[in-house]
Amino acid sequence: SQELEQSPQSLIVQEGKNLTINCTSSKTLYGLYWYKQKYGEGLIFLMMLQKGGEEKSHEKITAKLDEKKQQSSLHITASQPSHAGIYLCGADVNFGNEKLTFGTGTRLTIIP
Amino acid sequence: EAGVAQSPRYKIIEKRQSVAFWCNPISGHATLYWYQQILGQGPKLLIQFQNNGVVDDSQLPKDRFSAERLKGVDSTLKIQPAKLEDSAVYLCASSRWSNQPQHFGDGTRLSIL
Repeated sequence: SQELEQSPQSLIVQEGKNLTINCTSSKTLYGLYWYKQKYGEGLIFLMMLQKGGEEKSHEKITAKLDEKKQQSSLHITASQPSHAGIYLCGADVNFGNEKLTFGTGTRLTIIP
Repeated sequence: EAGVAQSPRYKIIEKRQSVAFWCNPISGHATLYWYQQILGQGPKLLIQFQNNGVVDDSQLPKDRFSAERLKGVDSTLKIQPAKLEDSAVYLCASSRWSNQPQHFGDGTRLSIL
């Protein structure tokens, strides 16, 4: 079974609209990382969240980790074509071994 | 700073052949990771090095995969012999320490015929 579930699997959004991607685990997340991947390229680090209730923003992207540290959301405001790609969450789900488990990703398409 | 360098970008081989990938991490990064990413899935950790020592290789198929980081800098990942199910993108990542964000290279796309 997948330890990190991402939803939705794919998302088509009109340029300028807001969107949210979710990452959920049945286990406590000891460090949650959001990455973006474009086809044929590596992962680009976006944000890291470690504390329950933590929220971070960078430009038009905001990520939150819930108080129970079992769910994170990534919110994009006023989406642009440059936001298109695959968004992956990765987390340490086994405290202490610092090994990241990744979700299967959310494919985001921005239409004009 | 220069990013994580990987080569080659693409490799096509026939099953049962051998192949090797090379990774040069970001300067000063002690931790190096090799991941396998199958199409439509998230990356799966194969092996993690701290300097030149192996921290975790629990998901490395040791009967055919091997990896080394002899001087604690560059690393190579080898597959011998390759199977059809090894077709994937092999990603290398590095971090300053093991609990810091990982920075990824562009990967090597391996196709097995």
